[in-house]
Parts: sequence; C-alpha cells; structure tokens
Amino acid sequence: QTVVTQEPSLTVSPGGTVTLTCSSNTGAVTSANSPNWFQQKPGQAPRALIYSTSNKHSWTPARFSGSLLGGKAALTLSGVQPEDEAEYYCLLHYGGARLWLFGGGTKLTVL
Amino acid sequence: QVQLVESGGGMVQPGRSLRLSCVGSVFPFSSYGLHWVRQAPGKGLEWVAIISYDGSNEYYADSVKGRFTISRDNSKNTLYLQMNSLRTDDTAVYYCAKAEGPYISYGMDVWGQGTTVTVSS
Repeated sequence: QTVVTQEPSLTVSPGGTVTLTCSSNTGAVTSANSPNWFQQKPGQAPRALIYSTSNKHSWTPARFSGSLLGGKAALTLSGVQPEDEAEYYCLLHYGGARLWLFGGGTKLTVL
Repeated sequence: QVQLVESGGGMVQPGRSLRLSCVGSVFPFSSYGLHWVRQAPGKGLEWVAIISYDGSNEYYADSVKGRFTISRDNSKNTLYLQMNSLRTDDTAVYYCAKAEGPYISYGMDVWGQGTTVTVSS
C-alpha cells in the first residue's frame, strides 16, 4: 500500500523560514509524481499553492516555493507571516497505479 | 472567477445510495478534468476520484473502487459522484475541484466549498 508522509507539525517564528517535506514509501519523489501543495485553514476549503513541483498559481504569495529535496517534495515558506498558520497538504500522482494520494498534512504554527 | 458549487449531501443510512453534484461556472467546463476529494471530521484530505475532460478516463481511490462512480455532463456543466453501498467511514465533507488541465494527470487548482455526507443508522 502506497503511503505519502509529511511532518505532523512544525513551528516557526514570524519572519522566519521553514521547509515542509513530502515523501513516498515507494521511493524517491520525482517530477513524474507532479507534487502539488495545498493550504487549509479551519472551516475553509483547501487552497492550491504549488503544482508540478514548483509552479505557483496566480494567487500564490511569492514567499511560497516548491522544490525536490533529497528524494522528497518540499514546500519552503520564507519570511513567514502570522496568516500562514494553517494545515498544509501535499498531493502526489502515481500514474502506473492510476491514483493520486494526499499526505497526512503538516500543522504549521507561527509563534 | 471560477466557481464550483457542490450539492446533494445529507444524512443517509449505511448501505444506501446518494448522488452528489457539482456545477461549474466562469470557465470552459468541458476542457478540464475534475476531481472529488473528501475530508472526514477532524481528519486530513483524501483523494476520491478524477475524470478526464471528456469523461473517457477515470481513476478511483481503493477505498471507493467498485462502490462510487464519477461522471460528468458537459452540456450541463455538471460533475457527479454516485455513491452506493455507503459505509459509516464515508462520512465526510466532499469537495469537487477543477483540474489544472484536461487529463487525469493534472492536480487541482480551484475547489468548491464542499457538501457534507453523513452515513449513520
């Protein structure tokens, strides 16, 4: 069974930098997995941030960036703002298995 | 701006069926794939299914395969999720989301606000 894993929680200070990661138990995450990242705040629908590893949507703040790092997908927030406190989810595509999978989410606290 | 509005949620007994709908507007509906994603109370996001722009290809999560069917009517700008043999662990908010492109290899960009399904006796 394929499992996508994220850090359950991270804490960062305002103005700081933090990197969230997303790994797969099937091996290294690559661009073929088309990593996507989403932000969700309590009581709201998720909002897309990053697609195809590192591409930003028109509404994505410049402080968010996506990459591949050491066999994992990564989301880096630089110059964190209080409003960035939220749950973050990665999504990976497994074309051979004909499915998409979300990670369990990372709760980011800005403190 | 792009809009997706889900409907059809409600309370249903285990073993029964329910059909969700999602109407899209302010974008060329027939040119994009569409996903269903769900979120159980207090839990994370779970991808459910995707259908290609023309309905010719579909993927399903293992947890719903054989019970749920995704379909679309491009003449009505509407996406559907037929849910049969419902179980208590299908209880969740169900979101529809527009794919970034026409095929099943594209993730989501715009999401609806969700519709709540409760499966309980």
